[in-house]
Amino acid sequence: EAQVTQNPRYLITVTGKKLTVTCSQNMNHEYMSWYRQDPGLGLRQIYYSMNVEVTDKGDVPEGYKVSRKEKRNFPLILESPSPNQTSLYFCASSPGTFRETQYFGPGTRLLVL
Amino acid sequence: RKEVEQDPGPFNVPEGATVAFNCTYSNSASQSFFWYRQDCRKEPKLLMSVYSSGNEDGRFTAQLNRASQYISLLIRDSKLSDSATYLCVVTGSWGKLQFGAGTQVVVTP
Repeated sequence: EAQVTQNPRYLITVTGKKLTVTCSQNMNHEYMSWYRQDPGLGLRQIYYSMNVEVTDKGDVPEGYKVSRKEKRNFPLILESPSPNQTSLYFCASSPGTFRETQYFGPGTRLLVL
Repeated sequence: RKEVEQDPGPFNVPEGATVAFNCTYSNSASQSFFWYRQDCRKEPKLLMSVYSSGNEDGRFTAQLNRASQYISLLIRDSKLSDSATYLCVVTGSWGKLQFGAGTQVVVTP
């Protein structure tokens, strides 16, 4: 089944404890992206990747890192999480460019205490 | 000012009625426009792309007004299953996507 998977789906952690949220797609998509969704603010783009080894900052990259070593995987790393990073996170991919349909993963709910 | 703005609603719509709402965007260089649907904070799913000449997909009609920098979505013959949050998406500078905060639609029996 063609899909975007994220793990974990739910995570409660404490301030400063490094964590990684994985994202994987099995559709051979070129473009991948991370978003966070907060009430009243909509989805905001954190980082995106046009292809392997090519990543760029979105609108809210502070406090996050990403890597794209393989086409299928695009992990999101929080080196030192803070409570203001409590949010719902979505990974998405699209076949070619960012102008095509985005296929979203199921989301990761993160609570930083 | 936000890059993409939507009326948050909710728009309460009787079943069978028509509802329409807009989304305004600030970047005149934006080239691609979409409507996504999101149910109860689940993952967004593409509803339809928005083309310059306007386009229709069943009961849904999308329009683009470049001069006034807004896109619209019209839902005819609303069904209970149309209850959702509708997200407006606009492409920004290369690689970037900007989302509106969403318009909530509630279809009532």
